[in-house]
Amino acid sequence: AAGVIQSPRHLIKEKRETATLKCYPIPRHDTVYWYQQGPGQDPQFLISFYEKMQSDKGSIPDRFSAQQFSDYHSELNMSSLELGDSALYFCASSLGGQTYEQYFGPGTRLTVT
Amino acid sequence: EDQVTQSPEALRLQEGESSSLNCSYTVSGLRGLFWYRQDPGKGPEFLFTLYSAGEEKEKERLKATLTKKESFLHITAPKPEDSATYLCAVQAGGYQKVTFGTGTKLQVIP
Repeated sequence: AAGVIQSPRHLIKEKRETATLKCYPIPRHDTVYWYQQGPGQDPQFLISFYEKMQSDKGSIPDRFSAQQFSDYHSELNMSSLELGDSALYFCASSLGGQTYEQYFGPGTRLTVT
Repeated sequence: EDQVTQSPEALRLQEGESSSLNCSYTVSGLRGLFWYRQDPGKGPEFLFTLYSAGEEKEKERLKATLTKKESFLHITAPKPEDSATYLCAVQAGGYQKVTFGTGTKLQVIP
């Protein structure tokens, strides 16, 4: 069965640089969620999109922005990177704005040096 | 604000030694409580969704139950391959935001 695809899997950036993470949801899934997970921490909800519209917002810094495109893939844009942004970034997808079962991708490991 | 507390933080079991993991939650208007399994460096793997008190779900050696204040993940006769971090999460109100607990790191020793 097709799963959530994230790219790149690993990314190394320097402070103050910009990064773009991509997420391709499971086919037919119309809702995408982004999470940030620091070492030894639980996933922290950043933002979600349903049918290409932002549907909820969590602890996402103002330096980050995201969108969902017409093919339902999503991109998380991160600017003015800081050392503290180093983390695993997960994308999850689900079917329907009210569906509760989220399926996670393998994550992008971002390292800021 | 939604709160999820998991206990214990870590659990070490002998193979075949059954036990339970606890997830206590405080939310306004629970829509769903989820259990995930996460291996190091990988994305959480969906296990169960529970919607209302009294509900139970089973999958292989795992059984999840839900009350109005907490959920339990029972592990029967665990095997070493069950070693992972088990995460509990809740979704509440009219929001899509999911709040995770800090997880229970389970180690099953042969």
